[in-house]
Amino acid sequence: NAGVTQTPKFRVLKTGQSMTLLCAQDMNHEYMYWYRQDPGMGLRLIHYSVGEGTTAKGEVPDGYNVSRLKKQNFLLGLESAAPSQTSVYFCASSTTGLAILSGANVLTFGAGSRLTVL
Amino acid sequence: QKEVEQDPGPLSVPEGAIVSLNCTYSNSAFQYFMWYRQYSRKGPELLMYTYSSGNKEDGRFTAQVDKSSKYISLFIRDSQPSDSATYLCACDNTNAGKSTFGDGTTLTVKP
Repeated sequence: NAGVTQTPKFRVLKTGQSMTLLCAQDMNHEYMYWYRQDPGMGLRLIHYSVGEGTTAKGEVPDGYNVSRLKKQNFLLGLESAAPSQTSVYFCASSTTGLAILSGANVLTFGAGSRLTVL
Repeated sequence: QKEVEQDPGPLSVPEGAIVSLNCTYSNSAFQYFMWYRQYSRKGPELLMYTYSSGNKEDGRFTAQVDKSSKYISLFIRDSQPSDSATYLCACDNTNAGKSTFGDGTTLTVKP
């Protein structure tokens, strides 16, 4: 059972280039998330999706776009990369609180994608 | 002000010590309180979670929530070098469907 898989694991971009990070989950989870993690700033939510075809803005959405065309995939796009977007990006998924008896929104994370923008 | 504040650390303790990791939160709507463990260059993984106030124990780990003071803690007994990691607290209002994380505390347990 693979869980949450992120590709690529590493990428170096030049300022102004574009790229897409792919997240795939095989747990049939409804919710999917993209976080970025920077030293001393914890995990900050970029965008999230509560189901196929839906997306919503998180805490730090500027400069990023997302799409959820299939339930199992959540794509994060950078149209014009900036050095401030150098970070480690984590995708996560969860089932809804109503779907599990505990009610907790427990996240399953991918291994991360390390992006450097020069 | 952040909704979830976590003691920054880093913490360095000898093997066998009792470790206390702490967070405070400001949003009264939070009902679920999670602790995630993140090893270096890995994704976070759920350690344990608690609903509302009270304690929850899992082996050497105890999670404690005091909603009256908006304070959450994770205690690690008999700490081991394998416990060396960054610990992230997270709070959730299930209706919102998204968790708010603290900045993390890095723990090193020295043999």
